[in-house]
Parts: sequence; structure tokens; C-alpha cells
Amino acid sequence: DAGVTQSPTHLIKTRGQQVTLRCSPKSGHDTVSWYQQALGQGPQFIFQYYEEEERQRGNFPDRFSGHQFPNYSSELNVNALLLGDSALYLCASSLVGEREQYFGPGTRLTVT
Amino acid sequence: QQQVKQSPQSLIVQKGGISIINCAYENTAFDYFPWYQQFPGKGPALLIAIRPDVSEKKEGRFTISFNKSAKQFSLHIMDSQPGDSATYFCAASSQGGKLIFGQGTELSVKP
Repeated sequence: DAGVTQSPTHLIKTRGQQVTLRCSPKSGHDTVSWYQQALGQGPQFIFQYYEEEERQRGNFPDRFSGHQFPNYSSELNVNALLLGDSALYLCASSLVGEREQYFGPGTRLTVT
Repeated sequence: QQQVKQSPQSLIVQKGGISIINCAYENTAFDYFPWYQQFPGKGPALLIAIRPDVSEKKEGRFTISFNKSAKQFSLHIMDSQPGDSATYFCAASSQGGKLIFGQGTELSVKP
């Protein structure tokens, strides 16, 4: 039973560029949430996708956008990268109606 | 009101001892309280979770104690082992599923 997978593992981008991160949920899950974890901090909620729509959004600017595909996988896009966007980006999957969220290993984004 | 406050920031415990991490919240709409364990370079792993209708939940060496009136909950790790050395996060959510995390506690268990 595959858990949550994310790609790529690491990414280095230049300020002003755009980046796309990918997530495949745990088998049987239909809901994907994205979190940003700065070094030494707890994860911060970015948004949640269910049925290919954004259902909830945290306090992040419009530079952060996402998408969910019919197979429940998801993408996180960040435009006009800032140095402060450097962080570990985590994807968590869950089943609608269930509260447990299971996290992937994350993508480490470094903006230079 | 959306914050979850976690303490201590770091904790050193001898092997075989009890590790205790505390969290407090303000939002009374929170109704689900999980604990996550995170090793360096890895994503958080769900350890144990509790709902406010019970005061304690135990799974193996891990126990959550919940005090609804005080709006506090804690994680107890019994017989702590060096392999338990990691960062622990408490979290809370209301209906909708958005998790609000504490700041984390770095636990070191000395042999």
C-alpha cells in the first residue's frame, strides 16, 4: 500500500522564477492538503483540494495556486518566487469525512 | 485564536524516562487533536490523536491526556528510547480539516 509520494525531492530556483511541485495521495484517499514548513517551525496550511476544487485556503498570497486531477493527484504552483518561499513543502492526503491526514516526505525548495 | 501553543521547545530525557510535551489552544471549535513525529529530512508521521469527548487515549508507549475545560492537551512517552529522538508537533483542527500546528518540541533521549 503506497503512502503519499512527492516529487521532486529537492529543488533550487532563482528569485522571480516559477515552480511546480507534485503529490500523489495515499491509495484510497481523495483529499489533498498542502503545507509549508519553514526551518524550525511547524507546518503552515496553504490550501486543500477535494473533487478537483480548492475547498479551504490558508493565509497565503495568490502567487500560490494548485490543482487536483481526476486521479486525485495534485500540483502546487508558486509564481514570482521570493527568498522567503524557501521551505519544505508537504503534501498530506486524507479521505473525505475522515480527520486523519498522512504526510508525504516533502519537497525541499531553495530560492536563491 | 487560531494558535496552538506548544512547550517546551526542547527536551532532554534519559533512556527509560517519561517525556511530557504540552499544548494549549484557544479556539473552542477545535475538535480533533493529533500528534505528529518528525525525523530530520522526513515528513511528519501521525502518532496518535484524540477527540474532546475523551480525557485520555493510549497507544503503546504513547498517551494523550486532554483537559477540555483548560483547553490543554499533552503527550506522554513512557519508557523513552533513543529511537524516539525526533521533533514532535501537536496540532488541532475543526470541521474542514485544516490543521493548525504548534511550534514543535525537539526531543533528545540520552542512552
